[in-house]
Amino acid sequence: AQSVAQPEDQVNVAEGNPLTVKCTYSVSGNPYLFWYVQYPNRGLQFLLKYITGDNLVKGSYGFEAEFNKSQTSFHLKKPSALVSDSALYFCAVRDDAGNNRKLIWGLGTSLAVNP
Amino acid sequence: GAVVSQHPSRVICKSGTSVKIECRSLDFQATTMFWYRQFPKQSLMLMATSNEGSKATYEQGVEKDKFLINHASLTLSTLTVTSAHPEDSSFYICSEKATGAYNEQFFGPGTRLTVL
Repeated sequence: AQSVAQPEDQVNVAEGNPLTVKCTYSVSGNPYLFWYVQYPNRGLQFLLKYITGDNLVKGSYGFEAEFNKSQTSFHLKKPSALVSDSALYFCAVRDDAGNNRKLIWGLGTSLAVNP
Repeated sequence: GAVVSQHPSRVICKSGTSVKIECRSLDFQATTMFWYRQFPKQSLMLMATSNEGSKATYEQGVEKDKFLINHASLTLSTLTVTSAHPEDSSFYICSEKATGAYNEQFFGPGTRLTVL
């Protein structure tokens, strides 16, 4: 069965420090992986995705994520965190078996960047 | 990315009334739209998937007669919460995507429904 795990409910990091938000996945076919961010009382914003090619994907707001097939992971990273990065982050996966298959969502990780 | 609008952003209604939420794709022809429900500090719960011109596919446990979805055109989908009750109070978010498993979804800003 397809699944996504975000093992940390909350991540705290000091401003200026690097941040990592973890995501692991399980799919039957080749994965399409996505990261989204949600600010309070707002919809979700797309950050980045991995489809194929280079394992390191760069996205919006200085975020990047590394696809690791052997570890079935797609951790979100940023070299230097900003207070404004504080938000809820969701990892999602879809396999390549069909055009309109639904996204499988992680439970989200709340990121708090402290000044 | 694509721009998705939702209206209203916030609605308060009395128990027993029906509420319609509109989701519009402003610059994109969405072949597929998704409706999600989100409880406080929780993940997204997919309610249904709709393709333009066809009936919506509801997720297990979601009452289709309670949550009516219409996707009449490539740019408009509506969710009607019929005979709303306090337990229907939630944050409802629509999302759209183009055909292709590799395409990301674009989300509306959400509608906060409070049923008194």
